Amino acid sequence: EVQLLESGGGLIQPGGSLRLSCAVSGFTFSNSAMSWVRQAPGKGLEWVSGISGSGAYTYYADSVKGRFTISRDNSKNTLYLQMNSLRAEDTAVYYCAKVGSSDWYNFDYWGQGTLVTVSS
Amino acid sequence: QSVLTQPPSTSGTPGQTVTISCSGSSSNIGSSAVNWYQHLPGTAPKLLIYFNNHRPSGVPDRFSGSKSGTSASLAISGLQSEDEADYSCAAWDDSLNGVVFGGGTRLTVL
Repeated sequence: EVQLLESGGGLIQPGGSLRLSCAVSGFTFSNSAMSWVRQAPGKGLEWVSGISGSGAYTYYADSVKGRFTISRDNSKNTLYLQMNSLRAEDTAVYYCAKVGSSDWYNFDYWGQGTLVTVSS
Repeated sequence: QSVLTQPPSTSGTPGQTVTISCSGSSSNIGSSAVNWYQHLPGTAPKLLIYFNNHRPSGVPDRFSGSKSGTSASLAISGLQSEDEADYSCAAWDDSLNGVVFGGGTRLTVL
């Protein structure tokens, strides 16, 4: 059974940093591209970042480029999102998602999400 | 403001057919397949339709997708109360070099 479990969310002040983790099981992690997708309160889903199976290729939404860094540890079956210079508009539930094919928008499994609140 | 445009809400009665539209441009839907996701509040989103019109195993055939030009649609036939959820479309955008979503459509079953 495929499982994705996010952790690391919480309340953080503007300008602060936070690292999210996503522990996965049930599939060959190193063979799968992964992404982070977020949903702000009352808003739609927003793709944040993606990373190839090897970690060699990464992609970012313009809204987080230069502030967020996606990475993975294939030996630990874990995906990460390092978030720096956080802003109020980064407040959202953050989901990790498995990319089901070579198409980056094809998320076949999702985690339950972790809430990040940026507020003073 | 989402790159892909969806109506914010729609509704139907049990047994009816509802259609949700997703409008984009040549840099996204016009050059990419479209996926649809179902999202109930407080739960993980679920892949509903992939590559325009394919259903993952376990998704009822009441759900169907289509794409034409720079627009896509999700149709739900034989509407059931458990279909009440948010539905979002997604595609790759060549200009933004990233994934784009629609703003989501809240389906209410009356």
